[in-house]
Amino acid sequence: QVQLQESGPGLVKPSGTLSLNCAVSGDSLSRSNWWSWVRQPPGKGLEWIGEIYQSGTTNYNPSLKSRVTISIDKSKNQLSLRLSSVTAADTAVYYCARDRGGYSYSYDYWGQGTLVTVSS
Amino acid sequence: EIVLTQSPGTLSLSPGERATLSCRTSQSVSSTFVAWYQQKPGQAPRLLIYGASSRATGIPDRFTGSGSGTDFTLTISGLEPEDFAVYYCQQYGSSPPMYTFGQGTKLEIK
Repeated sequence: QVQLQESGPGLVKPSGTLSLNCAVSGDSLSRSNWWSWVRQPPGKGLEWIGEIYQSGTTNYNPSLKSRVTISIDKSKNQLSLRLSSVTAADTAVYYCARDRGGYSYSYDYWGQGTLVTVSS
Repeated sequence: EIVLTQSPGTLSLSPGERATLSCRTSQSVSSTFVAWYQQKPGQAPRLLIYGASSRATGIPDRFTGSGSGTDFTLTISGLEPEDFAVYYCQQYGSSPPMYTFGQGTKLEIK
């Protein structure tokens, strides 16, 4: 059974950097698959942040591209998210998710999500 | 960037009824790139439909996806109490490569 688990600070100061990890079990980040980060502000809809392939190739949401870095650590089987220069607008539940693969362009496994609040 | 518009914003129905949720894209997209998710409070989204009409693993056959071009539909036949939730459509665009979600439809008990 594939499981994803996000972790990281729940509170980040404005202008600081948000850093999250997503530990993956039941699957390998070395396999041919894309892994993504999606966020959801409280009471609002879903916003795609970006994705990474096992080769390290990344794609980012153009609206966040200048501030986002997604990376993978195959030795730890985890992916990471860094978002710099955060403001209150970055307060959200952050999810990591696995692309289903097979050119299905959809996410079949999600972490439970972690709430990150940007506040001084 | 392709914009997805879901309607209605809120749908009030009773158990046993049929729900029809709409997702309209701002430009024509391949049905391969359209998916639907269900989200309940405090939970992560759950994949229901991919490729516009293929049910994900373990999804009951009362969930049906259809559509093409700019108009896509999720139909839930015979609503069960556990179906009341928020539903999102999602599409993948290749230029630039990115995913976009609709704003969601809340399906509530009447």
